[in-house]
Amino acid sequence: SQQGEEDPQALSIQEGENATMNCSYKTSINNLQWYRQNSGRGLVHLILIRSNEREKHSGRLRVTLDTSKKSSSLLITASRAADTASYFCATDAEDSSYKLIFGSGTRLLVRP
Amino acid sequence: DTAVSQTPKYLVTQMGNDKSIKCEQNLGHDTMYWYKQDSKKFLKIMFSYNNKELIINETVPNRFSPKSPDKAHLNLHINSLELGDSAVYFCASSQDWVGSEAFFGQGTRLTVV
Repeated sequence: SQQGEEDPQALSIQEGENATMNCSYKTSINNLQWYRQNSGRGLVHLILIRSNEREKHSGRLRVTLDTSKKSSSLLITASRAADTASYFCATDAEDSSYKLIFGSGTRLLVRP
Repeated sequence: DTAVSQTPKYLVTQMGNDKSIKCEQNLGHDTMYWYKQDSKKFLKIMFSYNNKELIINETVPNRFSPKSPDKAHLNLHINSLELGDSAVYFCASSQDWVGSEAFFGQGTRLTVV
């Protein structure tokens, strides 16, 4: 069954605003990753947070992880039109370390 | 140089045909994957290989047969194509298990008519 569910499914904001996307998962994990997918392209890794970490930053990205609630959030600050993409969270599976389980994704539109 | 490259980028074929998608990574990674992305953008793991050995076969029909001639290559052969096979197929690789970031190819859009 699908591990991650993202919320919202779609998000439209003005350039310069912050964008927050949430991800919930069902089972215990070792780590959680966020990926970006531009239209018609492959996925690009953004950030990985391990289960013993609570927060991680990378440039304009901030990721939090709450293992007690089985949820994570991705915050993009000062958004740009180039941030327009789909964003996916992914976790390792409970039954195997050799597969990533992806969420359903959030489609982000940043209006210029 | 492209880290993970897959060919072709687009593939249009008739039902019943057999086709192959090739994937190569130049990152020296031990683990390679095939994912399928459907029309709703949902990504699902199909296969995982580690050091040329099949680790994961996620209940994929037998018509799909991956082949890993060496660590740098993971090809996907599909027999007797069906309409429902239409999707975007992504190859990916990672250094070892999923504790490290995965690098994805640009995808192969397969359309079965």
